Amino acid sequence: AQSVTQLDSHVSVSEGTPVLLRCNYSSSYSPSLFWYVQHPNKGLQLLLKYTSAATLVKGINGFEAEFKKSETSFHLTKPSAHMSDAAEYFCVVSAPTSGTYKYIFGTGTRLKVLA
Amino acid sequence: NAGVTQTPKFRVLKTGQSMTLLCAQDMNHEYMYWYRQDPGMGLRLIHYSVGEGTTAKGEVPDGYNVSRLKKQNFLLGLESAAPSQTSVYFCASRPTGGGSMNTEAFFGQGTRLTVV
Repeated sequence: AQSVTQLDSHVSVSEGTPVLLRCNYSSSYSPSLFWYVQHPNKGLQLLLKYTSAATLVKGINGFEAEFKKSETSFHLTKPSAHMSDAAEYFCVVSAPTSGTYKYIFGTGTRLKVLA
Repeated sequence: NAGVTQTPKFRVLKTGQSMTLLCAQDMNHEYMYWYRQDPGMGLRLIHYSVGEGTTAKGEVPDGYNVSRLKKQNFLLGLESAAPSQTSVYFCASRPTGGGSMNTEAFFGQGTRLTVV
């Protein structure tokens, strides 16, 4: 079975400071991992995905995530927060289960960026 | 290229009424999913389909039914709406598995449903 835990429900940072959103996963198989972002009253946009080609994954808008198998983590980072980064972020795990692919979502982390 | 389109965008229902949410995708994807999003709970899988004519239960299927009569459409039905079904509903699709394990899901813009 797969599961994902987002360790912080809310994170506040000042504009221009680093962002760290934490995600731990559990999977019986080698998983696929994703980060999605949801701006207020909007749909979900893919930020980045882990494809097993490289443990450090670069995404859109300056975000990146590092896959650490030994720690079962896939934390999302950005060197310098921008006001437009304020949104809710979801860590997602997917792995084949009985030949079917499902996407299991974390409960989300709401990022607030202070001016 | 529209991607995944959900209809309607907003709806208010009275308790006991029925309705159908429509999801349409134009990417020829085999897999389709219905999720509900509630505050603090992330997205939870209601039902999914691995191809035309197939459906299966997800994590929270009670009170919902689905149909996939055409490959491009996935319908979510509420036979007798309850206030607990007030939520934002998202549809998603992805291509066939097997070799595309790392493929992401493509989401619609959501349907905000309120049951009073």
